[in-house]
Amino acid sequence: KAGVTQTPRYLIKTRGQQVTLSCSPISGHRSVSWYQQTPGQGLQFLFEYFSETQRNKGNFPGRFSGRQFSNSRSEMNVSTLELGDSALYLCASSLATSGSYLDTQYFGPGTRLTVL
Amino acid sequence: AQSVTQLDSQVPVFEEAPVELRCNYSSSVSVYLFWYVQYPNQGLQLLLKYLSGSTLVKGINGFEAEFNKSQTSFHLRKPSVHISDTAEYFCAVSENNAGNMLTFGGGTRLMVKP
Repeated sequence: KAGVTQTPRYLIKTRGQQVTLSCSPISGHRSVSWYQQTPGQGLQFLFEYFSETQRNKGNFPGRFSGRQFSNSRSEMNVSTLELGDSALYLCASSLATSGSYLDTQYFGPGTRLTVL
Repeated sequence: AQSVTQLDSQVPVFEEAPVELRCNYSSSVSVYLFWYVQYPNQGLQLLLKYLSGSTLVKGINGFEAEFNKSQTSFHLRKPSVHISDTAEYFCAVSENNAGNMLTFGGGTRLMVKP
């Protein structure tokens, strides 16, 4: 079975631009979560989507948004980019059978975003 | 809100020596506990998890961890490390009503020396 894939793997943007990152979960997985990893703040939870609905949200400004499609693929968008948004963005998927809350999360390799 | 503290940012150790990576958490409710490993330029891989039951949890690659509720700790151990264990290790918690939202510690870089 293919793992979690994230595209693109690397991205360079300038301040003020917006960016969209994509995540394809493992086949059959219904939950997708997003995390931001930076040297200063570490790994921080952004949001989780399950059956096209946002189920949990971390403490990030409204510039960070996401969505999930009917095939469970997910995108996250960051508008009006700031230098501090430079980070590795990780996506994780899990089965979430019967809407259960806790299944093992499988992480993708991440998208490294650099904001200049 | 929960928080996770990994007491050591770096742990150097010689090959074939034992190692313990420390993790303490704070939470006002029951939690689930996890250890993940991250190799350079890769995502996170689950090593082991504690949901309930036996407090000693065995994971992949010879790692194990022990949940200590009274000390709110979940330390990771391996009796004999290999060069290939060199990586960043993250402890994480999830409160039992928080879905898949994980709170991570700051990470511990394990450096195995020949």
